[in-house]
Amino acid sequence: AQSVTQLGSHVSVSEGALVLLRCNYSSSVPPYLFWYVQYPNQGLQLLLKYTSAATLVKGINGFEAEFKKSETSFHLTKPSAHMSDAAEYFCAVSDPDSNYQLIWGAGTKLIIKP
Amino acid sequence: DGGITQSPKYLFRKEGQNVTLSCEQNLNHDAMYWYRQDPGQGLRLIYYSQIVNDFQKGDIAEGYSVSREKKESFPLTVTSAQKNPTAFYLCASSYRGVGEETQYFGPGTRLLVL
Repeated sequence: AQSVTQLGSHVSVSEGALVLLRCNYSSSVPPYLFWYVQYPNQGLQLLLKYTSAATLVKGINGFEAEFKKSETSFHLTKPSAHMSDAAEYFCAVSDPDSNYQLIWGAGTKLIIKP
Repeated sequence: DGGITQSPKYLFRKEGQNVTLSCEQNLNHDAMYWYRQDPGQGLRLIYYSQIVNDFQKGDIAEGYSVSREKKESFPLTVTSAQKNPTAFYLCASSYRGVGEETQYFGPGTRLLVL
């Protein structure tokens, strides 16, 4: 079965600094991969997804992620953090063995220091 | 405006009581999902439905029940058999429920036990 690992339950960066949130998945078959964002007490919103087209995927709010098959990674980056980026970020992978249901990482809370 | 609505925003349950969480969508999506979110654990799938009058158990279905009598509606009942129901419950939908599709989320219902 698929699994998703997000390294770091909390990541703290200064405003204007690079944001890097890590996601690794377990699969020998290229999967579908997603990054979602959740603001406090709200639902989740899609940031971007990988569906076997370009390996570098651009999303909303200036975020992008690169699919690296050799590293089974799909890390999320943003060149310059903004205070409004403070939220929790979830990586998910679709599991072909479970009717393509999403398997979720535990989430990473992004903290932006002024 | 198309979207997913969940009600109520907060719900209080007494011991031994069944409570029902509402989820409605006007996106004309076939697939709907219920997730449970606990701090530090990501999202866990409770039930999902890909077509009216049919649904499947997810990873943590025990103590929950659902119905799908209409395409637009997918209510979740938390029964008295669910001994630890305190959590944030998220409803989602997608077009047909296949692997690369985006899931769209409602704003969530927070369930608390009195």
